[in-house]
Amino acid sequence: EADIYQTPRYLVIGTGKKITLECSQTMGHDKMYWYQQDPGMELHLIHYSYGVNSTEKGDLSSESTVSRIRTEHFPLTLESARPSHTSQYLCASSLPGAGETQYFGPGTRLLVL
Amino acid sequence: GQQVMQIPQYQHVQEGEDFTTYCNSSTTLSNIQWYKQRPGGHPVFLIQLVKSGEVKKQKRLTFQFGEAKKNSSLHITATQTTDVGTYFCAEIIQGAQKLVFGQGTRLTINP
Repeated sequence: EADIYQTPRYLVIGTGKKITLECSQTMGHDKMYWYQQDPGMELHLIHYSYGVNSTEKGDLSSESTVSRIRTEHFPLTLESARPSHTSQYLCASSLPGAGETQYFGPGTRLLVL
Repeated sequence: GQQVMQIPQYQHVQEGEDFTTYCNSSTTLSNIQWYKQRPGGHPVFLIQLVKSGEVKKQKRLTFQFGEAKKNSSLHITATQTTDVGTYFCAEIIQGAQKLVFGQGTRLTINP
């Protein structure tokens, strides 16, 4: 079982609030990813990182931002939450040279009222 | 850009029936991965296929990679209720070193 953690697991918050979703992995993986997924639907890549100080936007436009100051930590921030941000956010990491096999965290279910 | 098309989107079977999901691409794939996501859970890596015509088995699951490396399939023999979930294929975008997931096939089973 992969060692990748996400907090909080569930979050209910009002419109306009700033939130940060935490993701940490203890595997020393250089690459990390954030996906947005509505229940039972497609996975949409919103951000990824090749390593420390590297961040890239994914395929789905997102109003969120990310940072990668430490290898093990890849937080995602929404400056002003809106109901359209309601979704599940999944963090993943992978080891270079391992065929990009991704290990997913348990996810954060976000509800913006 | 590159994208794998996955069909069907939904499949409902009786327990004990077989199930197959397919991934198709218009371009040659370097390799393909399969993931399973249980309801309420997160995707879990199942397998990676690399070689043309490759076939791999995991108990009742059989994974195939097409000879032209443009399609792949996952076949489950004699489904059980534990097989319920969404199955995703994913292709590696070599230049960007990232995965692109198919739309997923959601499998439900009538016990």
